[in-house]
Amino acid sequence: EPEVTQTPSHQVTQMGQEVILRCVPISNHLYFYWYRQILGQKVEFLVSFYNNEISEKSEIFDDQFSVERPDGSNFTLKIRSTKLEDSAMYFCASSAGTGGLDTQYFGPGTRLTVL
Amino acid sequence: TQLLEQSPQFLSIQEGENLTVYCNSSSVFSSLQWYRQEPGEGPVLLVTVVTGGEVKKLKRLTFQFGDARKDSSLHITAAQPGDTGLYLCAGASRFSGGYNKLIFGAGTRLAVHP
Repeated sequence: EPEVTQTPSHQVTQMGQEVILRCVPISNHLYFYWYRQILGQKVEFLVSFYNNEISEKSEIFDDQFSVERPDGSNFTLKIRSTKLEDSAMYFCASSAGTGGLDTQYFGPGTRLTVL
Repeated sequence: TQLLEQSPQFLSIQEGENLTVYCNSSSVFSSLQWYRQEPGEGPVLLVTVVTGGEVKKLKRLTFQFGDARKDSSLHITAAQPGDTGLYLCAGASRFSGGYNKLIFGAGTRLAVHP
């Protein structure tokens, strides 16, 4: 069964460093998303991406964040200068975008630890 | 701001008991998805409900979407230890561009004891 994959599974970085989280969405899906989950808290929407541009972004998704689909298969989230509060699980999701039943499928996540 | 209130937050029951988890909002959602999440892993889809009043069954799990598409419930019959986990509801807000943003509930942590 097709699935969303994410790499790395765990990323440790120093505050102020740039990180790139990578995702390979399900191959025939058209809509891509990033969510994050701080330990013990709700899953929160960050950004949605369609047709090579951002469709919507949350307040969390400030100028330090960017997304890109550099080729036909990868979808990346970049954090330019990480802060301690960026430590969280980051989940990529994708959906087919086919009408009302537009289910989002999630990847296993990348645990980002900012020291 | 759309919110999804999920209850109960924790549930500890014996094997064989029935349980219901509720997901409520004052907002209308275009669809509602239920996920199960294991520690350190991503949410795994259980079901999507789209139509008001819709009922879907997945073995011992029964999912219902409220008539007004503002609330949903998950009922588990004869719970088993393998049902132990975190159950999340997520409402989809549909925009004119055709994409959805999922609003998640805080989750219900279920523990089923043998």
